[in-house]
Amino acid sequence: NAGVTQTPKFRVLKTGQSMTLLCAQDMNHEYMYWYRQDPGMGLRLIHYSVGEGTTAKGEVPDGYNVSRLKKQNFLLGLESAAPSQTSVYFCASRTSQTGPYEQYFGPGTRLTVT
Amino acid sequence: DAKTTQPPSMDCAEGRAANLPCNHSTISGNEYVYWYRQIHSQGPQYIIHGLKNNETNEMASLIITEDRKSSTLILPHATLRDTAVYYCLKINAGGTSYGKLTFGQGTILTVHP
Repeated sequence: NAGVTQTPKFRVLKTGQSMTLLCAQDMNHEYMYWYRQDPGMGLRLIHYSVGEGTTAKGEVPDGYNVSRLKKQNFLLGLESAAPSQTSVYFCASRTSQTGPYEQYFGPGTRLTVT
Repeated sequence: DAKTTQPPSMDCAEGRAANLPCNHSTISGNEYVYWYRQIHSQGPQYIIHGLKNNETNEMASLIITEDRKSSTLILPHATLRDTAVYYCLKINAGGTSYGKLTFGQGTILTVHP
C-alpha cells in the first residue's frame, strides 16, 4: 500500500505559467482533498471531492481548478500561477467508513512561483 | 472566543512516555478531540480521536477529563521519529460533513537520545 502519493515533489514556476499537481491514492477512498499550508496561515482547504466525478470548493478556491475523473486520482490545476500561490500543497483522502476528520495525507508538493 | 491551548514546545527522552496536554476553554457535547502530528517536511498524520472515553490505538493513548475540557495525548515509548508538531483539534461532529481540517499552533515535541 503506497497510501497517498503526490507528483511532483518540488516545482518552480514563473508567473503566468500553468501546471497540474497529481494526487493518487490506492486505498479506495471516496473523499479526497487539496490543502495548502503556509507559514502563519496553517492548513487551508482549496477544493475537495466526495466521489468520482464530483468536486466542490473549499475556503480558498480562487486560482485553482480540480478534476476527479477516476476515483483514485485528484488533480489540482493552476491555470496562471501567481507568486501568492507559492506554498506547500497537500492532498488527503479518507474513507466514508470513518469520520470526516480521519484523513490520510500525502507527502506534499513544494511549489515556488517567481 | 473559544480557545484551544497547547504548550508551544516540550522535550522528552527517548524511550520515555511523552504526555502532551491540550485545553479547551469551552467544549460542547458533540465536539470530538482529534490529534494530528506533522513531522518536518511531511504531510500531517492522523493519530487518534475521542469524545468522552479514553481511547487507545497502536500509535497512542488519549485521556480525556470528565469535563472534557482537558485531554492528554500519550506516546508510551517515544522515539526520535516522534519528533514533530502535535496538533489538538476540537471538531464538531455535526458540523461540516466534508471534513475541513484546521490546525492551530500545536506543540513542538522534541525527543532526545
